[in-house]
Amino acid sequence: LAKTTQPISMDSYEGQEVNITCSHNNIATNDYITWYQQFPSQGPRFIIQGYKTKVTNEVASLFIPADRKSSTLSLPRVSLSDTAVYYCLVGVYSGNTPLVFGKGTRLSVIA
Amino acid sequence: DGGITQSPKYLFRKEGQNVTLSCEQNLNHDAMYWYRQDPGQGLRLIYYSQIVNDFQKGDIAEGYSVSREKKESFPLTVTSAQKNPTAFYLCASSTIRLQGTEAFFGQGTRLTVV
Repeated sequence: LAKTTQPISMDSYEGQEVNITCSHNNIATNDYITWYQQFPSQGPRFIIQGYKTKVTNEVASLFIPADRKSSTLSLPRVSLSDTAVYYCLVGVYSGNTPLVFGKGTRLSVIA
Repeated sequence: DGGITQSPKYLFRKEGQNVTLSCEQNLNHDAMYWYRQDPGQGLRLIYYSQIVNDFQKGDIAEGYSVSREKKESFPLTVTSAQKNPTAFYLCASSTIRLQGTEAFFGQGTRLTVV
């Protein structure tokens, strides 16, 4: 499974756009890039998933360059409730292989 | 409502006792997983199962046991052989398909050894 590297922590003020970058230099051809969000004392929640270019949903956008060796999760106009840990996962994740979590990025949103 | 339910939310165990954490899902998912999370750390895989009556060890299976007698249920037993069981335990489930599945997590069980 491709190893990922992401910042340990980030701070942001409310209303700003937050971009969290994840490096995955040895991503395989069939790997997807998936982001999860975890609030304290809760299970992680799926945010977004992509394979290439750009994916957008009601919560976030995911930007993936052509070489796919990195990806950026973009959270528009964050609020205090976006304070959480964000995990970048890279893999096929067909259900036959379990999700592998790193330590994630702890985002703190400040008023 | 469809979802994945863990119980209890909080559990206290005396040293030397076995305890069982419950995980039930009504999402008709084939795959189920157990993770352990320590403070400030990511999730570490304990066991996972892709089909009834079959399961595989994860990275930290020692001191734990599981069963998968029904598709909906994947209980985890923390045995007395687990020397440091105090942690947050998370159960998850997912479909099995060719690529890009999404996992759904329960709300977790916080186990404390007293």
